[in-house]
Amino acid sequence: GAVVSQHPSWVICKSGTSVKIECRSLDFQATTMFWYRQFPKQSLMLMATSNEGSKATYEQGVEKDKFLINHASLTLSTLTVTSAHPEDSSFYICSAILLGQEKETQYFGPGTRLLVL
Amino acid sequence: ELKVEQNPLFLSMQEGKNYTIYCNYSTTSDRLYWYRQDPGKSLESLFVLLSNGAVKQEGRLMASLDTKARLSTLHITAAVHDLSATYFCAVDIWGRDDKIIFGKGTRLHILP
Repeated sequence: GAVVSQHPSWVICKSGTSVKIECRSLDFQATTMFWYRQFPKQSLMLMATSNEGSKATYEQGVEKDKFLINHASLTLSTLTVTSAHPEDSSFYICSAILLGQEKETQYFGPGTRLLVL
Repeated sequence: ELKVEQNPLFLSMQEGKNYTIYCNYSTTSDRLYWYRQDPGKSLESLFVLLSNGAVKQEGRLMASLDTKARLSTLHITAAVHDLSATYFCAVDIWGRDDKIIFGKGTRLHILP
């Protein structure tokens, strides 16, 4: 089956620093990837849609200058949390769409747990 | 605005019992997903329901979709402890905003 990886799996950083999270589709090409954020015991909230070769589409309330998304190739999207603060601590999950099959579905990465001190 | 509501949000049940989780959504969609999430882990895809009347089964889990009622159900038969997890439904609105919207999740705790 389709595999999506994320790196790193967890990261601890100081307040004010920037953190980059990578999302890769390992055995398929994905023109569209999604970035979600999940706070403890809550649902997934879509942050942005990442399209290869074009600017990301951000959901309402998500600061595009704070959460920089780059979808440089068909297998890689990156999310950079700039000037991270403790309230950015969360579980960040990416997903990628596999097209061309009967059931178009999103395949989720394993997630990146971010703790900002 | 699309809303996806799951019911119940928390469920504690004994092994061997049957139960159903409900997922209502507020606008037209013909594609609905069910996911499982274990603590500290990402999402595992369980079912993709693509049309009205679709029914899919995997082991003790069975999912169905009624697009006219805008309702999907996830039925658990003879629950076992290993099914303890959080279950999310998500509704797809690709044709409009190219995204899916998640319900709040149902935390299922199965007592041995």
